[in-house]
Amino acid sequence: DSGVTQTPKHLITATGQRVTLRCSPRSGDLSVYWYQQSLDQGLQFLIQYYNGEERAKGNILERFSAQQFPDLHSELNLSSLELGDSALYFCASSADGGSNQPQHFGDGTRLSIL
Amino acid sequence: EDQVTQSPEALRLQEGESSSLNCSYTVSGLRGLFWYRQDPGKGPEFLFTLYSAGEEKEKERLKATLTKKESFLHITAPKPEDSATYLCAVQARNNNDMRFGAGTRLTVKP
Repeated sequence: DSGVTQTPKHLITATGQRVTLRCSPRSGDLSVYWYQQSLDQGLQFLIQYYNGEERAKGNILERFSAQQFPDLHSELNLSSLELGDSALYFCASSADGGSNQPQHFGDGTRLSIL
Repeated sequence: EDQVTQSPEALRLQEGESSSLNCSYTVSGLRGLFWYRQDPGKGPEFLFTLYSAGEEKEKERLKATLTKKESFLHITAPKPEDSATYLCAVQARNNNDMRFGAGTRLTVKP
C-alpha cells in the first residue's frame, strides 16, 4: 500500500460529459502529480501541484484542469470528454516538489468513455 | 527532448533463469533515474532511485545499475512472483516531471 488514495476506481461515462477524479496524497507529502496511462502512450505526465500551487505542466489538454486544496488532496477535472480520453489516470505524491525524491503512486482511476 | 527507451518490450524467463532489462535514456542533466514495478490493475510501485553513473542499488533479487547513457535492472534467479511490468523513468535537473519508458513486461514461468 503506497498510502496514496484515488477515487473512484472505475468511472464509465459518455462523450461530452465532465468528470472529477480525486486523490489523497501520502501523509506528509506536499506534492501531487497526475499521469495518464493508455495502451499506446504509456505513462504521460499531466500536471504537478506543490502545496496548493501549480508547479509543472506536461501534456495536459485544455479540457483538463486540476487543483490542490488546503488539506493537500487534489482533483483532476476532465470535461467535454472524447473517446480518446479513455485511460487509466494515476495520481502520485512526493514529500516535496523539487528534489529527486521518488513519487509514490495510487492504484488509479480507470475511465471508460462510451 | 528527454527520451527513455526500454528493451526488450517483453521477456519470458524460466524460474531461476537470471537476466537483465535495459533502460537507455537521453536527458539534459540527469537529476535521477527511477525504477518502478507495475502489476496489472495497480499503480507503479517504487523500487530504486539512481543519481550518478557507477551507482548500484539492490533489493532482494533485483539490482539496478547506472551509466551515463543507460541503466540495467538485473534479476537474479527470478520467481513467478517477479512477473510484472518494469518501468524506468528519468527526471531532468531543469524540470520536475518524470519521463517514463514504455516498460518491459516480464513473465517468469515456474
